[in-house]
Amino acid sequence: EAQVTQNPRYLITVTGKKLTVTCSQNMNHEYMSWYRQDPGLGLRQIYYSMNVEVTDKGDVPEGYKVSRKEKRNFPLILESPSPNQTSLYFCASRPTGPGYGYTFGSGTRLTVV
Amino acid sequence: DAKTTQPNSMESNEEEPVHLPCNHSTISGTDYIHWYRQLPSQGPEYVIHGLTSNVNNRMASLAIAEDRKSSTLILHRATLRDAAVYYCTRIIQGAQKLVFGQGTRLTINP
Repeated sequence: EAQVTQNPRYLITVTGKKLTVTCSQNMNHEYMSWYRQDPGLGLRQIYYSMNVEVTDKGDVPEGYKVSRKEKRNFPLILESPSPNQTSLYFCASRPTGPGYGYTFGSGTRLTVV
Repeated sequence: DAKTTQPNSMESNEEEPVHLPCNHSTISGTDYIHWYRQLPSQGPEYVIHGLTSNVNNRMASLAIAEDRKSSTLILHRATLRDAAVYYCTRIIQGAQKLVFGQGTRLTINP
């Protein structure tokens, strides 16, 4: 089944403890993105990648890192999480070209205490 | 980035058509219009997209105004499973970024 898989689905962590949220897609898509969803603020892009080793900042990149060493994987790294990073995170992917929509993962609910 | 504007909520009855409007008056000539929907506890799901012409797929139809400042998502026969938050978005080509507004919460009455 074509899908974007995120892990974990739920995570509670403490301030300052490094964590990684994994994202993997099995559709050979070039474009991948991370979004966070917050009440009243909607969905906002954190980082995106247009292909292997090509990444760039989105609207809210502060406190996050990403890497794209393989086409299928696009992990989101929080080096020193803070409570304001408590949010619902989504990874998404799509092929190049204008004729395609994004496929989103099921989300990761992160709580930083 | 100028976000899209949609009604906060709409209500319809099962098996009736639903027309969900969206205003995107500042859209540029190369930005595609995408629609997604989100069910509770799930990620957004792609519905349909277009640039200038009206589009149809198995899920819905998309009617785009001639001046591209607005569009309408049409669900031809709503079912209870269509109850969701519907987002009208633009895709910024350079950053491949979807610009989300607040969406329309659609309620379907049996």
